[in-house]
Amino acid sequence: GAVVSQHPSWVICKSGTSVKIECRSLDFQATTMFWYRQFPKQSLMLMATSNEGSKATYEQGVEKDKFLINHASLTLSTLTVTSAHPEDSSFYICSASDRGLPYGYTFGSGTRLTVV
Amino acid sequence: QQQVKQSPQSLIVQKGGISIINCAYENTAFDYFPWYQQFPGKGPALLIAIRPDVSEKKEGRFTISFNKSAKQFSLHIMDSQPGDSATYFCAASKGGGSEKLVFGKGTKLTVNP
Repeated sequence: GAVVSQHPSWVICKSGTSVKIECRSLDFQATTMFWYRQFPKQSLMLMATSNEGSKATYEQGVEKDKFLINHASLTLSTLTVTSAHPEDSSFYICSASDRGLPYGYTFGSGTRLTVV
Repeated sequence: QQQVKQSPQSLIVQKGGISIINCAYENTAFDYFPWYQQFPGKGPALLIAIRPDVSEKKEGRFTISFNKSAKQFSLHIMDSQPGDSATYFCAASKGGGSEKLVFGKGTKLTVNP
């Protein structure tokens, strides 16, 4: 089945530094990638949607200059949290879909970001 | 109109019992209704999904019931096991995999041995 590999699974960084999270589709073409954040005991909150080769579309209230999304290839998308602060600490999850496989959303295993 | 309302927020069931989680939606353009299971520290995993052209779909112990006229769908877990203890999310989307999923708020299921 479709697999999305997300790395790192956890990261601790100092306040003010940047962190990059990678998501790779291993056996399909990720024509669309979704990035979510999830706070403890809450649901997934969509941050942005990106299509391969296009700029990401950010949800209302999400700072695009702070959460940089790159989807330059059909197998790789990255989320960079710039100038991270403690309030950015959260669980970040990617999800990929292939337009050749309608209605298939494959989720990564998530990244726990802790900013100290 | 983009909301998916999920209930209950938490559910405790005895081993062997039936767990039932309900969701309701407003947007009639939604045409894909999946259920996800999430364990702590992990990403969501697809359990089962349904399209509006059928009223029920069963996979093993998991069944989705779909009521298009009421705009409601539910997950039934038969013979619930302690290993089923997790958080369950319903979701909905329209138009295929390029459209975003709208998630319910989740139900924390605890199955007591």
